[in-house]
Amino acid sequence: AQKVTQAQTEISVVEKEDVTLDCVYETRDTTYYLFWYKQPPSGELVFLIRRNSFDEQNEISGRYSWNFQKSTSSFNFTITASQVVDSAVYFCALSEARGSGNTGKLIFGQGTTLQVKP
Amino acid sequence: DAGVIQSPRHEVTEMGQEVTLRCKPISGHNSLFWYRQTMMRGLELLIYFNNNVPIDDSGMPEDRFSAKMPNASFSTLKIQPSEPRDSAVYFCASKKQGTGTEAFFGQGTRLTVV
Repeated sequence: AQKVTQAQTEISVVEKEDVTLDCVYETRDTTYYLFWYKQPPSGELVFLIRRNSFDEQNEISGRYSWNFQKSTSSFNFTITASQVVDSAVYFCALSEARGSGNTGKLIFGQGTTLQVKP
Repeated sequence: DAGVIQSPRHEVTEMGQEVTLRCKPISGHNSLFWYRQTMMRGLELLIYFNNNVPIDDSGMPEDRFSAKMPNASFSTLKIQPSEPRDSAVYFCASKKQGTGTEAFFGQGTRLTVV
Protein backbone atom coordinates (compact mmCIF):
# COMPACT_ATOMS: atom_id res chain seq x y z
CA ALA A 1 0.00 0.00 0.00
CA GLN A 2 1.11 3.53 -0.63
CA LYS A 3 1.63 5.88 2.27
CA VAL A 4 3.09 9.30 2.95
CA THR A 5 4.28 10.31 6.40
CA GLN A 6 4.99 13.84 7.54
CA ALA A 7 6.10 13.31 11.09
CA GLN A 8 6.32 17.00 11.96
CA THR A 9 2.84 18.22 12.82
CA GLU A 10 3.81 21.79 13.59
CA ILE A 11 7.00 23.80 13.26
CA SER A 12 7.55 27.31 14.53
CA VAL A 13 10.53 29.41 13.49
CA VAL A 14 11.57 33.02 13.59
CA GLU A 15 11.83 34.93 10.35
CA LYS A 16 15.10 34.41 8.43
CA GLU A 17 15.68 30.99 9.94
CA ASP A 18 16.06 28.01 7.62
CA VAL A 19 13.53 25.22 8.06
CA THR A 20 13.27 21.70 6.66
CA LEU A 21 9.99 19.84 6.30
CA ASP A 22 10.34 16.08 6.26
CA CYS A 23 8.47 13.65 4.02
CA VAL A 24 8.84 9.87 3.97
CA TYR A 25 6.89 7.72 1.56
CA GLU A 26 6.11 4.04 1.05
CA THR A 27 5.32 2.40 -2.27
CA ARG A 28 5.94 -0.91 -3.96
CA ASP A 29 5.98 0.75 -7.36
CA THR A 30 9.29 1.29 -9.09
CA THR A 31 7.95 4.32 -10.90
CA TYR A 32 6.03 7.02 -9.09
CA TYR A 33 5.69 10.76 -8.67
CA LEU A 34 6.13 12.97 -5.63
CA PHE A 35 4.68 16.41 -5.04
CA TRP A 36 4.63 19.25 -2.55
CA TYR A 37 1.61 21.51 -2.15
CA LYS A 38 1.18 24.59 0.02
CA GLN A 39 -2.08 25.51 1.75
CA PRO A 40 -1.97 29.11 3.00
CA PRO A 41 -4.49 30.41 5.55
CA SER A 42 -6.85 31.32 2.70
CA GLY A 43 -7.34 27.60 2.14
CA GLU A 44 -6.44 26.89 -1.47
CA LEU A 45 -3.92 24.21 -2.43
CA VAL A 46 -0.99 25.58 -4.38
CA PHE A 47 1.33 23.32 -6.33
CA LEU A 48 5.03 23.76 -5.52
CA ILE A 49 6.99 20.95 -7.14
CA ARG A 50 6.71 17.63 -8.92
CA ARG A 51 9.41 14.98 -9.09
CA ASN A 52 9.34 11.55 -10.75
CA SER A 53 11.18 8.59 -9.30
CA PHE A 54 13.76 8.54 -12.09
CA ASP A 55 14.93 12.03 -11.36
CA GLU A 56 16.90 12.19 -8.12
CA GLN A 57 18.44 15.55 -8.81
CA ASN A 58 17.84 18.05 -6.09
CA GLU A 59 16.06 21.21 -7.12
CA ILE A 60 16.31 24.80 -6.03
CA SER A 61 13.77 27.48 -6.75
CA GLY A 62 14.58 30.76 -5.09
CA ARG A 63 14.44 30.20 -1.34
CA TYR A 64 12.93 26.74 -1.80
CA SER A 65 14.90 23.55 -2.29
CA TRP A 66 13.99 19.88 -2.39
CA ASN A 67 16.10 16.84 -1.52
CA PHE A 68 14.92 13.55 -3.04
CA GLN A 69 16.64 10.47 -1.60
CA LYS A 70 15.32 7.28 -3.10
CA SER A 71 17.52 5.16 -0.83
CA THR A 72 15.70 6.47 2.24
CA SER A 73 12.32 7.06 0.54
CA SER A 74 12.41 10.70 1.50
CA PHE A 75 11.52 13.92 -0.28
CA ASN A 76 12.35 16.77 2.06
CA PHE A 77 11.62 20.43 1.54
CA THR A 78 13.81 23.27 2.81
CA ILE A 79 12.91 26.93 3.01
CA THR A 80 15.94 29.18 3.36
CA ALA A 81 15.62 32.52 5.12
CA SER A 82 11.98 31.95 5.98
CA GLN A 83 9.48 34.78 5.78
CA VAL A 84 6.15 35.40 7.47
CA VAL A 85 4.41 34.78 4.14
CA ASP A 86 5.72 31.20 4.22
CA SER A 87 3.35 30.46 7.08
CA ALA A 88 1.05 27.73 5.78
CA VAL A 89 0.33 24.02 5.88
CA TYR A 90 2.61 22.06 3.57
CA PHE A 91 1.58 18.72 2.11
CA CYS A 92 3.73 16.05 0.57
CA ALA A 93 1.93 13.68 -1.82
CA LEU A 94 2.57 10.53 -3.82
CA SER A 95 1.02 9.49 -7.13
CA GLU A 96 1.28 6.25 -9.00
CA ALA A 97 2.70 6.27 -12.49
CA ARG A 98 0.63 5.20 -15.46
CA GLY A 99 1.99 4.97 -18.97
CA SER A 100 4.23 7.91 -19.61
CA GLY A 101 2.73 10.00 -16.84
CA ASN A 102 1.00 9.80 -13.49
CA THR A 103 -2.61 9.07 -12.66
CA GLY A 104 -2.96 12.27 -10.67
CA LYS A 105 -4.52 10.23 -7.88
CA LEU A 106 -2.74 11.71 -4.87
CA ILE A 107 -1.97 10.10 -1.54
CA PHE A 108 -1.34 12.98 0.85
CA GLY A 109 0.62 13.14 4.05
CA GLN A 110 -1.04 14.68 7.07
CA GLY A 111 0.64 18.01 6.47
CA THR A 112 3.07 20.13 8.44
CA THR A 113 1.90 23.48 9.77
CA LEU A 114 4.68 26.02 9.52
CA GLN A 115 4.47 29.22 11.52
CA VAL A 116 7.04 31.88 10.79
CA LYS A 117 7.12 34.59 13.44
CA PRO A 118 8.39 38.09 12.74
CA ASP B 1 -6.25 30.91 -18.12
CA ALA B 2 -8.97 30.36 -15.57
CA GLY B 3 -8.15 27.77 -12.96
CA VAL B 4 -10.44 25.11 -11.58
CA ILE B 5 -13.68 26.77 -10.56
CA GLN B 6 -15.79 25.44 -7.72
CA SER B 7 -19.15 26.62 -6.48
CA PRO B 8 -20.41 27.45 -4.01
CA ARG B 9 -17.43 28.53 -1.90
CA HIS B 10 -19.39 28.05 1.29
CA GLU B 11 -22.50 26.02 1.96
CA VAL B 12 -24.45 25.70 5.18
CA THR B 13 -27.29 23.23 5.18
CA GLU B 14 -29.46 21.34 7.60
CA MET B 15 -29.08 17.67 8.25
CA GLY B 16 -31.13 15.63 5.82
CA GLN B 17 -30.99 18.14 2.99
CA GLU B 18 -29.49 17.45 -0.41
CA VAL B 19 -26.26 19.25 -1.22
CA THR B 20 -24.73 19.66 -4.67
CA LEU B 21 -21.18 20.85 -5.18
CA ARG B 22 -20.04 21.96 -8.62
CA CYS B 23 -16.75 22.00 -10.46
CA LYS B 24 -15.50 23.31 -13.77
CA PRO B 25 -12.06 21.89 -14.64
CA ILE B 26 -9.35 23.70 -16.53
CA SER B 27 -10.05 23.65 -20.25
CA GLY B 28 -8.14 20.83 -21.93
CA HIS B 29 -7.77 18.81 -18.75
CA ASN B 30 -9.42 15.40 -19.06
CA SER B 31 -8.85 14.00 -15.57
CA LEU B 32 -10.95 15.33 -12.73
CA PHE B 33 -10.67 14.54 -9.03
CA TRP B 34 -12.82 15.15 -5.96
CA TYR B 35 -11.05 15.30 -2.59
CA ARG B 36 -12.33 15.89 0.91
CA GLN B 37 -10.34 17.54 3.70
CA THR B 38 -11.17 17.04 7.38
CA MET B 39 -9.17 17.48 10.54
CA MET B 40 -9.50 13.80 11.40
CA ARG B 41 -8.74 12.22 8.03
CA GLY B 42 -6.75 14.91 6.22
CA LEU B 43 -6.98 15.07 2.44
CA GLU B 44 -8.52 12.00 0.87
CA LEU B 45 -9.55 11.17 -2.67
CA LEU B 46 -13.24 10.47 -3.11
CA ILE B 47 -13.48 9.75 -6.84
CA TYR B 48 -11.77 10.54 -10.11
CA PHE B 49 -12.79 10.63 -13.75
CA ASN B 50 -10.87 10.23 -16.99
CA ASN B 51 -12.60 11.55 -20.11
CA ASN B 52 -15.84 11.93 -18.11
CA VAL B 53 -15.81 8.26 -17.03
CA PRO B 54 -15.49 7.37 -13.33
CA ILE B 55 -12.30 5.36 -12.87
CA ASP B 56 -12.00 4.93 -9.12
CA ASP B 57 -14.78 5.66 -6.66
CA SER B 58 -13.38 3.57 -3.82
CA GLY B 59 -13.03 6.66 -1.67
CA MET B 60 -16.70 7.57 -1.77
CA PRO B 61 -17.77 7.08 1.83
CA GLU B 62 -21.22 5.64 1.27
CA ASP B 63 -24.26 5.55 -0.96
CA ARG B 64 -25.30 9.00 0.15
CA PHE B 65 -22.48 10.35 -2.00
CA SER B 66 -22.65 10.41 -5.79
CA ALA B 67 -20.63 12.16 -8.47
CA LYS B 68 -21.26 12.80 -12.12
CA MET B 69 -19.40 14.28 -15.04
CA PRO B 70 -21.90 14.83 -17.84
CA ASN B 71 -19.36 16.61 -20.05
CA ALA B 72 -15.73 17.64 -20.14
CA SER B 73 -16.34 20.99 -18.51
CA PHE B 74 -18.60 20.16 -15.58
CA SER B 75 -18.81 17.81 -12.63
CA THR B 76 -21.03 17.55 -9.58
CA LEU B 77 -20.68 15.90 -6.20
CA LYS B 78 -24.00 15.29 -4.50
CA ILE B 79 -24.73 14.30 -0.92
CA GLN B 80 -28.23 13.10 -0.17
CA PRO B 81 -29.19 13.13 2.65
CA SER B 82 -26.46 15.20 4.26
CA GLU B 83 -25.23 14.52 7.81
CA PRO B 84 -23.18 16.63 10.24
CA ARG B 85 -20.17 14.31 9.75
CA ASP B 86 -20.09 15.36 6.09
CA SER B 87 -18.91 18.80 7.17
CA ALA B 88 -15.56 19.33 5.46
CA VAL B 89 -13.81 21.21 2.69
CA TYR B 90 -14.35 19.58 -0.68
CA PHE B 91 -11.75 20.19 -3.37
CA CYS B 92 -11.97 19.56 -7.07
CA ALA B 93 -8.78 19.18 -9.11
CA SER B 94 -7.94 18.56 -12.75
CA LYS B 95 -4.97 17.55 -14.89
CA LYS B 96 -4.15 16.28 -18.34
CA GLN B 97 -4.49 12.51 -18.36
CA GLY B 98 -1.43 10.45 -19.23
CA THR B 99 1.07 13.19 -18.63
CA GLY B 100 3.62 13.65 -15.91
CA THR B 101 2.10 16.94 -14.94
CA GLU B 102 0.54 17.94 -11.67
CA ALA B 103 -3.09 18.36 -10.71
CA PHE B 104 -4.40 21.87 -10.14
CA PHE B 105 -6.91 22.47 -7.38
CA GLY B 106 -9.93 24.69 -7.08
CA GLN B 107 -10.52 26.99 -4.14
CA GLY B 108 -12.64 24.39 -2.39
CA THR B 109 -16.17 24.37 -1.02
CA ARG B 110 -16.52 24.57 2.74
CA LEU B 111 -19.59 22.54 3.68
CA THR B 112 -21.21 22.81 7.07
CA VAL B 113 -24.11 20.51 7.91
CA VAL B 114 -25.99 21.54 11.04
